[in-house]
Amino acid sequence: DAGVTQSPTHLIKTRGQHVTLRCSPISGHKSVSWYQQVLGQGPQFIFQYYEKEERGRGNFPDRFSARQFPNYSSELNVNALLLGDSALYLCASSLEGNYGYTFGSGTRLTVV
Amino acid sequence: GEDVEQSLFLSVREGDSSVINCTYTDSSSTYLYWYKQEPGAGLQLLTYIFSNMDMKQDQRLTVLLNKKDKHLSLRIADTQTGDSAIYFCAESSGGGADGLTFGKGTHLIIQP
Repeated sequence: DAGVTQSPTHLIKTRGQHVTLRCSPISGHKSVSWYQQVLGQGPQFIFQYYEKEERGRGNFPDRFSARQFPNYSSELNVNALLLGDSALYLCASSLEGNYGYTFGSGTRLTVV
Repeated sequence: GEDVEQSLFLSVREGDSSVINCTYTDSSSTYLYWYKQEPGAGLQLLTYIFSNMDMKQDQRLTVLLNKKDKHLSLRIADTQTGDSAIYFCAESSGGGADGLTFGKGTHLIIQP
């Protein structure tokens, strides 16, 4: 069975640009969460979606947005990129969003 | 905000047991997790424990939870070179809508 898949694996963007990251959850999982992990730190919670609705949001600016589609896949969008947005972006899926989170391998975003 | 603390480094000899410790502050934590991250990779879920449990064992892994002291530990028996990685402690509460709160991770270093 496929695990959580994220695309692309690596991405280089210029300051001020926009980026879209994608995530497909484990089959049967209805919840997707997004995390940002900067070098040397633990992941920080950005969003959680369950059944296509936003269930929770972390302490991130409005430049960050996300959505979940009817097939439970998800996109994370970041506008007006800053150098500080350079990080590993991780997607996690779970059955109903309350425990047992499985992470993907992440998208490494570099902003130059 | 709520916090999760871990030691940054742990060095053990191959074949010995490793014990990685974690403390957390959120008294409403429902689930507590241990994740493993190898260089350049995503997070691998090792195990998780519900807050009404004291202990969970899974092959070489033993998790102990002291809810009164808000202390969680992960013991890895017979540590091997393949166990070399960063280990993250994380907690969730409130049904998961606030996402996981991670520590900064413990680098486990294996000496031959």
